[in-house]
Amino acid sequence: DIQMTQSPSTLSASVGDRVTITCRASQSIGSWLAWYQQKPGKSPNVLIYKASTLESGVPSRFSGSGSGTEFTLTISSLQPDDFATYYCQQYNTYVYTFGQGTKLEMK
Amino acid sequence: EVQVLDSGGDLVQPGGSLRLSCTVSGFIFSNTAMTWVRQAPGKGLEWVSTITARGATFYADSVKGRFTISRDNSKITLYLQMSSLRPEDTAVYYCAKPSGQNLQYYFEFWGQGTLVTVSS
Repeated sequence: DIQMTQSPSTLSASVGDRVTITCRASQSIGSWLAWYQQKPGKSPNVLIYKASTLESGVPSRFSGSGSGTEFTLTISSLQPDDFATYYCQQYNTYVYTFGQGTKLEMK
Repeated sequence: EVQVLDSGGDLVQPGGSLRLSCTVSGFIFSNTAMTWVRQAPGKGLEWVSTITARGATFYADSVKGRFTISRDNSKITLYLQMSSLRPEDTAVYYCAKPSGQNLQYYFEFWGQGTLVTVSS
């Protein structure tokens, strides 16, 4: 199975900051990567798919980049609603795997 | 508007069985693959199983041989039959509608989740 590793596991930041989360795949997955946001007690919501395509309705401050084995999720200017846990997911193969999550907390 | 509603979670003893259900609206269910994803308390997301529109099924190694995914297109309902349950199966189970093609799926719409607790 393809292993997905996110870093950091926890990120402390302030409103207005630019933040970046990294996701690395154990083998090349092309651009078959999605990013999700999850708030406590809620279902995940997809933010980005195919590494860099913004899901409809997602604010433009979110962006994704990368291909192959290294990917990033960037929030250009952190808003209060963005404090949550973020997961990457590869879908190059049907044994879909997620990163372990990055908790974005308020500094 | 796409809606996904999962249900059936409960407290069950180790070795027991349970069936989860997922009803949907807002899209043509019979034309769409469906998936179950779970999340153990305080942990990350884990893909469990997928069924294609044609009925082909796929499972994570951790549940293969114990869980069965199925669909009833006439009832617009997805199921997950779970047997030989273990404490490590304790999780919130999410039904999700994937997007994509040829099994290259990300999960666009999610149910609210249903809690399965395996404990004596």
